[in-house]
Amino acid sequence: KAGVTQTPRYLIKTRGQQVTLSCSPISGHRSVSWYQQTPGQGLQFLFEYFSETQRNKGNFPGRFSGRQFSNSRSEMNVSTLELGDSALYLCASSFWFSGPPIPNEQFFGPGTRLTVL
Amino acid sequence: GQQVMQIPQYQHVQEGEDFTTYCNSSTTLSNIQWYKQRPGGHPVFLIQLVKSGEVKKQKRLTFQFGEAKKNSSLHITATQTTDVGTYFCAGKTGNQFYFGTGTSLTVIP
Repeated sequence: KAGVTQTPRYLIKTRGQQVTLSCSPISGHRSVSWYQQTPGQGLQFLFEYFSETQRNKGNFPGRFSGRQFSNSRSEMNVSTLELGDSALYLCASSFWFSGPPIPNEQFFGPGTRLTVL
Repeated sequence: GQQVMQIPQYQHVQEGEDFTTYCNSSTTLSNIQWYKQRPGGHPVFLIQLVKSGEVKKQKRLTFQFGEAKKNSSLHITATQTTDVGTYFCAGKTGNQFYFGTGTSLTVIP
């Protein structure tokens, strides 16, 4: 089974620009979660999508948005980039993460390293 | 707000020594998952604990879930250089899932 893929792997943007990151989950998985990882804040949950619907959202500003397509692929968008958005953005795939009382395990992709200049 | 703290933040051990990381939540968790992230890599799922007081073993790794379901620990016996990485606990409370702050393990050969 192919793993979780994320594109692009590296991205350099300037302040004020916007960016779109893509994630393809493991075949058969319908849940995609997004995380931001920084040295200072650690791993922070952004949002989770299941069956094209956002099921959960973390504590991030509205500049961070996402969507999921019918084939479970997901995109994450950050508008009006700020220096503090520089981070590793990780996508995690699961059968259904937040639905059951006990979460399934998550399979992480390699991440997209975003640098904002 | 909800916090999941791990101690220590960093740990350096000689190869062959034991290692323990502790995970503490401010609220009761429905489960604990543990992940390992190698330097430059992504988190990889290790195990999940669900029951109060549960203990699970994977070779040299022992995982415990506290009786109150607010804390957990990961113990590695006789560390090896392949154990290098950051270990994260993560758990669900309500409808939210929180990762711990992580413990970075360095193993000195």
